[in-house]
Amino acid sequence: DTAVSQTPKYLVTQMGNDKSIKCEQNLGHDTMYWYKQDSKKFLKIMFSYNNKELIINETVPNRFSPKSPDKAHLNLHINSLELGDSAVYFCASSPGGFTDTQYFGPGTRLTVL
Amino acid sequence: GQNIDQPTEMTATEGAIVQINCTYQTSGFNGLFWYQQHAGEAPTFLSYNVLDGLEEKGRFSSFLSRSKGYSYLLLKELQMKDSASYLCAVRYNTDKLIFGTGTRLQVFP
Repeated sequence: DTAVSQTPKYLVTQMGNDKSIKCEQNLGHDTMYWYKQDSKKFLKIMFSYNNKELIINETVPNRFSPKSPDKAHLNLHINSLELGDSAVYFCASSPGGFTDTQYFGPGTRLTVL
Repeated sequence: GQNIDQPTEMTATEGAIVQINCTYQTSGFNGLFWYQQHAGEAPTFLSYNVLDGLEEKGRFSSFLSRSKGYSYLLLKELQMKDSASYLCAVRYNTDKLIFGTGTRLQVFP
């Protein structure tokens, strides 16, 4: 059983396109997150959702929008993709608050051409 | 500002012991995590320290000194599968979390 799953695993697209990455967790956790890991392996939090409420939104361009249809899902939609958006995007969840132990999904490698 | 420093790369020999250091400067420190990340995979939780001292878990131990803003991860009886990046993450100001850039460890036979 996969605890935190993401689709797709790889995503290659052209600049200017709009794309979405899906995330689902079956751990019954209250909080879900999106992280971006760039080529230098720096892992940075982008968003956090707790019970459908956005509780953290770091300095991320508004081209990025998280969407949570229910507690088990947190999707990431990206508009007008740019070259600098190329990175690995990790979804994660935690039992309680933001700073509990994070359980990460397998990641989505996004390449913008 | 908040800052975490870790060595970029380390190498060690199978069966040996290696210590990966992490220093941090944050306001309102409230706990430190270590995560392991194999190449091309997601980070996985290793340990959590909030009080000073050593936490041991099998071959892995993590130490924290809050007064020095310092932690280390100690890996004993190294195995080839321990080759990975090790990420230090600090919780601060109650509801913030920041990750370091990670230390890439290569274990050689």
